[in-house]
Amino acid sequence: AQSVSQHNHHVILSEAASLELGCNYSYGGTVNLFWYVQYPGQHLQLLLKYFSGDPLVKGIKGFEAEFIKSKFSFNLRKPSVQWSDTAEYFCAVNAYSSASKIIFGSGTRLSIRP
Amino acid sequence: EPEVTQTPSHQVTQMGQEVILRCVPISNHLYFYWYRQILGQKVEFLVSFYNNEISEKSEIFDDQFSVERPDGSNFTLKIRSTKLEDSAMYFCASSQGLAGGTDTQYFGPGTRLTVL
Repeated sequence: AQSVSQHNHHVILSEAASLELGCNYSYGGTVNLFWYVQYPGQHLQLLLKYFSGDPLVKGIKGFEAEFIKSKFSFNLRKPSVQWSDTAEYFCAVNAYSSASKIIFGSGTRLSIRP
Repeated sequence: EPEVTQTPSHQVTQMGQEVILRCVPISNHLYFYWYRQILGQKVEFLVSFYNNEISEKSEIFDDQFSVERPDGSNFTLKIRSTKLEDSAMYFCASSQGLAGGTDTQYFGPGTRLTVL
C-alpha cells in the first residue's frame, strides 16, 4: 500500500539548533517527493520537491532534503532554525506522472523556542 | 504570484444539509483536486478532475460527493447530505499537468467545514 511515515509528531528546538525531520515512504514505481509547510493560519506551501537528478534538493528558506532511494527516505534538514520556522511540516509522495494524487504523511509540528 | 483561492473560509452547517465549497484555481491550470484533513489526521486525497471529468477518486469520495466546473473559473465540491464525520478542512489544489515529475500542485487556503 502507498504510504508516508513521519517519525516525529512534535519537535521542539531552540533557535539556531539544527533540524532533521524524518520521512519514509512506501510506493511502487518511480516517485516524486515533496515537503510542504503549513505556517499557523496559512495554507499548504511547497517547501521543496524531488523528481529526478541530484538527490540533494534545496528549497526555500534554507531547507534541504536528501532522497536516499535504498532507504526509501526523504529527510528534511536545516542547519540553523529560526523562530519563524514554527509550522507543521508534511512529507508527501506521488507517482512520477502528470497530475497524480499526492499521499501525505501525518505531519510534524515544529515549535521553535525564541 | 497567482494563487488558488477558496470560499468560504469557514462553513457551518446542520447534519443532512447540502454544502457547496468553492475554489478558483490558478488560471492556466488544467487539473484540479480536492483534499481534506480531519482535525488531527493526515491530508487525504478525495478527487482529481480534468477536462470536465473525474480523473481519479478515492474511497472517501462516495455518492454523497460531486465536483463540477460550472464556468471557466470556478471548481466546486458539493456534499449532498452532510454527516458529522464530514467535518474537516477541505483543500482545493490545481496544477498545469506538466509531463513527468515537473508537475506541481498548488494548494488553496482551505475551507473549514463544521457539521453540527
